[in-house]
Amino acid sequence: QVQLQQWGAGLLKPSETLSLTCAMYGGSFSGYYWSWIRQPPGKGLEWIGEINHSGNTNSKPSLKSRVTISVDTPKNQFSLKVSSVTAADTAVYYCARVSGSYLLDHWGQGTLVTVSS
Amino acid sequence: DVVMTQTPLSLAVTPGQPASISCKSSQSLLHSDAKTYLFWYLQKTGQPPQLLIYEASKRFSGVPDRFSGSGSGTDFTLKISRVEAEDVGVYYCMQTIQVPYTFGQGTKLEI
Repeated sequence: QVQLQQWGAGLLKPSETLSLTCAMYGGSFSGYYWSWIRQPPGKGLEWIGEINHSGNTNSKPSLKSRVTISVDTPKNQFSLKVSSVTAADTAVYYCARVSGSYLLDHWGQGTLVTVSS
Repeated sequence: DVVMTQTPLSLAVTPGQPASISCKSSQSLLHSDAKTYLFWYLQKTGQPPQLLIYEASKRFSGVPDRFSGSGSGTDFTLKISRVEAEDVGVYYCMQTIQVPYTFGQGTKLEI
């Protein structure tokens, strides 16, 4: 059974860099894309970007200048960095597996990241 | 970006009654590979979203058959034939035909 476990710092100051990692257990890592999605408190879902095992990435253009998505295939892990965070980056961040028809079929538990001075 | 517009934004339903949510996209979600890249997710309180419907009308593994998806091109509908208490949450449509992938605003279903 595929499981995604994510972790990272939950409280940041403005201008710092957000860093999250997601590990996949119980399945194949290759052959899939792996995605990051976020959700501000009380609001809807926003797709951030994705990466495959070879390091090919796609990102939301409006975030691209601040977002880095990387992969560590031997460890079955992928990571998200968002630089120069502001209060607008406060959200629950989810990792997810992208399968078949670009559907998100397995999700991490979510990590609340709060940006506050 | 492809804009996804859901209606209604909230819905109160009596258990056992049907419910319907509409999702319209700003451009066609039918790809040249003949697949329609429209998905429905349910997010229960405090949980990550869970996939209900993929490719507009296919139920994901383990999803009860009271959930059905329909539509094509730019107009899509999620229907629940008989709402149960466990169906409470926020429903999102999502497109993955074009980067950036985008979600609808969400429809909150209450009992």
